[in-house]
Amino acid sequence: NAGVTQTPKFQVLKTGQSMTLQCAQDMNHNSMYWYRQDPGMGLRLIYYSASEGTTDKGEVPNGYNVSRLNKREFSLRLESAAPSQTSVYFCASSEARGSGELFFGEGSRLTVL
Amino acid sequence: LAKTTQPISMDSYEGQEVNITCSHNNIATNDYITWYQQFPSQGPRFIIQGYKTKVTNEVASLFIPADRKSSTLSLPRVSLSDTAVYYCLVGEGGYGNKLVFGAGTILRVKS
Repeated sequence: NAGVTQTPKFQVLKTGQSMTLQCAQDMNHNSMYWYRQDPGMGLRLIYYSASEGTTDKGEVPNGYNVSRLNKREFSLRLESAAPSQTSVYFCASSEARGSGELFFGEGSRLTVL
Repeated sequence: LAKTTQPISMDSYEGQEVNITCSHNNIATNDYITWYQQFPSQGPRFIIQGYKTKVTNEVASLFIPADRKSSTLSLPRVSLSDTAVYYCLVGEGGYGNKLVFGAGTILRVKS
């Protein structure tokens, strides 16, 4: 099993450009999450999705949009990238039932110039 | 949301037992307590989870007092490879709940 797969792993953007980070999980999990982690800092929740067709804002949603395309895929879009969005982005998934252990991807490192 | 408070950093030596405490005064009835470990340039990975009393697995123990307002992660006989950031997460993970991480504890293990 691949678990949680994120693409791309690295990306450099210019201010104002747009891009989409892709996340897919093969564990049949209902819930999916997007976090960002700035250098030397903890993880901050951007958006999450309880199930296919639903999304909710996390701690820092401004400047981002998400799409829960189907049960497997949860994408994060930056419409007009800003240097403040330079960060490592982690996608995670969890079971809908029970304690909901989070399974993380390897991260996508984004630099906005 | 249950906010968590952990020490910013801790230092230890190889072979010692390390205890990291997390405070979560407003934990809700349905919340679980989960600890994650994160190495540089990697996503966090699950260590242990509990609801009350004591839980032990092959890598750690988790102690939770009766009032559940705090929890202690215990790592027996740490090695250099245990140097990482440790996060305490409190919440009901299922059903896509808003799972918010705290600042974490940087554990440095020295030889």
